[in-house]
Amino acid sequence: GENVEQHPSTLSVQEGDSAVIKCTYSDSASNYFPWYKQELGKGPQLIIDIRSNVGEKKDQRIAVTLNKTAKHFSLHITETQPEDSAVYFCAAETSYDKVIFGPGTSLSVIP
Amino acid sequence: DAGVTQSPTHLIKTRGQQVTLRCSPKSGHDTVSWYQQALGQGPQFIFQYYEEEERQRGNFPDRFSGHQFPNYSSELNVNALLLGDSALYLCASSLLSTTYEQYFGPGTRLTVT
Repeated sequence: GENVEQHPSTLSVQEGDSAVIKCTYSDSASNYFPWYKQELGKGPQLIIDIRSNVGEKKDQRIAVTLNKTAKHFSLHITETQPEDSAVYFCAAETSYDKVIFGPGTSLSVIP
Repeated sequence: DAGVTQSPTHLIKTRGQQVTLRCSPKSGHDTVSWYQQALGQGPQFIFQYYEEEERQRGNFPDRFSGHQFPNYSSELNVNALLLGDSALYLCASSLLSTTYEQYFGPGTRLTVT
């Protein structure tokens, strides 16, 4: 069935270093891949997204890459700051407009 | 411009009871989706409403039902509550034309004892 895997489940980096989170998806019909940041006690917040006709997208310190052939997509955060600490979810739009989420990555940025 | 709002913030119910959760979508949005997020997991899709009808449904039993009103607000109802229904329930709104671009509310934390 439709599935999104995400690695690692936890990630700890020093402030200023880069963080990379990787996801794979199973539905070859998926064309839209959003990333969400969820802080404690809050709902997920859309931080960046990428569509299947684009291989890479960047927004300030955040970038996403997509390899549709391999069904892989990744989130890259550069120059990490303590306020980047949160749980990050990748997701994929599947057939019939459903959005399937990965299990999440808990990112800790150590000052 | 108000974002997605949900009520109540927290709720404690007893096993076997029924619960109703409420959601108001972001201004201009016409589609509402509901998700269940268990502790430490990603959101799981329950169902989606558009034009007051259920448009999509995930793998949830019939105990989970919903409703959308003419003003696009929505309710999630859960009957015969089980301990396993304890979770954060998230509402997300979008436009039907771009239903995958979803904006989430803060959620309702449901605890079943």
